[in-house]
Amino acid sequence: KNQVEQSPQSLIILEGKNCTLQCNYTVSPFSNLRWYKQDTGRGPVSLTIMTFSENTKSNGRYTATLDADTKQSSLHITASQLSDSASYICVVSPHTGTASKLTFGTGTRLQVTL
Amino acid sequence: NAGVTQTPKFQVLKTGQSMTLQCAQDMNHEYMSWYRQDPGMGLRLIHYSVGAGITDQGEVPNGYNVSRSTTEDFPLRLLSAAPSQTSVYFCASSIRTSGRRNEQFFGPGTRLTVL
Repeated sequence: KNQVEQSPQSLIILEGKNCTLQCNYTVSPFSNLRWYKQDTGRGPVSLTIMTFSENTKSNGRYTATLDADTKQSSLHITASQLSDSASYICVVSPHTGTASKLTFGTGTRLQVTL
Repeated sequence: NAGVTQTPKFQVLKTGQSMTLQCAQDMNHEYMSWYRQDPGMGLRLIHYSVGAGITDQGEVPNGYNVSRSTTEDFPLRLLSAAPSQTSVYFCASSIRTSGRRNEQFFGPGTRLTVL
């Protein structure tokens, strides 16, 4: 069964610090991996999309890495801000084309404090 | 562009009642889908549509119906609400392509409670 596991489940960091969130997946064959940010009470918003041939992708202070050999991805947040407090969801697609076969992780809940 | 809109934002139903969750997008996306999000679980696909007049079941379709009469709208119907359908429902849309990049745009969600 295709699975996406994220760690840690939750994380508290001080404003200005960096952090790294992890995603391990068993989805095969693999097409692309996405990271979403979900603010409390809102829908998920796409941060990055990487295909199997891409090792890293940045979006501002967010940098995602992908190791397709070990089936691992990470999301690194640099110089965290209070607005980074949210859940971060890793999503893996096993197919090209339409997005009907996405497998979602349960997310890492990040809290950034003063 | 308003993006993906959903109504209502909150809803409380009694067991056995029916209702329709509305979803609309103004980006001319062909692909639309409905997910439910429950505590401790990833988003799960309920139904999806690859274009007007075409719908298909996702991972957890039981108890839900959909239709797609226009490109813009994709309503989700609960036929006879059950407490197990208490959840947050998200509608999403994306461009239908044959490539690997299909960024999904999510609506703000509908929080449904069934008593």
